[in-house]
Amino acid sequence: SAVISQKPSRDICQRGTSLTIQCQVDSQVTMMFWYRQQPGQSLTLIATANQGSEATYESGFVIDKFPISRPNLTFSTLTVSNLSPEDSSIYLCSVEDRAVNYGYTFGSGTRLTVV
Amino acid sequence: DQQVKQNSPSLSVQEGRISILNCDYTNSMFDYFLWYKKYPAEGPTFLISISSIKDKNEDGRFTVFLNKSAKHLSLHIVPSQPGDSAVYFCAASGGANNLFFGTGTRLTVIP
Repeated sequence: SAVISQKPSRDICQRGTSLTIQCQVDSQVTMMFWYRQQPGQSLTLIATANQGSEATYESGFVIDKFPISRPNLTFSTLTVSNLSPEDSSIYLCSVEDRAVNYGYTFGSGTRLTVV
Repeated sequence: DQQVKQNSPSLSVQEGRISILNCDYTNSMFDYFLWYKKYPAEGPTFLISISSIKDKNEDGRFTVFLNKSAKHLSLHIVPSQPGDSAVYFCAASGGANNLFFGTGTRLTVIP
């Protein structure tokens, strides 16, 4: 199955700053997905990142708050901008993984705490 | 609106017994269902899946059952082992690349 390296694993950030999360995949993938898991909540899709085009955002998520880059088929970044305590969550990247019967493989997650 | 629901936030089972984790969904357009296991400080790991054309899929100690009429699926783990202790998420897909997740069930297998 695909191997995803996600960085950082955790961070504590000041209100009003930004955090950029990186995901590197060991194989080329067409789409990468970014999820958020707020405390006590289910994983929620933020956006789908396609190489060579703008990311597609789900309802409730906007590019100004969650800009995404996808410079090539193995890498993507998610930036969480203008941080507030409500952004404290776990953020995960994911790819569709045909090696696991069309399941999705996830990165190890980034635990963000905003103070 | 939660389209995938796991109503039991936690479950404790004795080692060697069966663990049954339940999941309900509301969207009849979902046609593919997955279970993920998540250990602390790790991302979810794909466990087993089932297509809506089936009602059962088995992989070793793990079996997923799908009841489309009831919009219900369950994950059976037999026999349960202490290493199975984790949070289990069910997820559903309707063809697009958006997975809808439940809130998870924390399974504790007691040695």
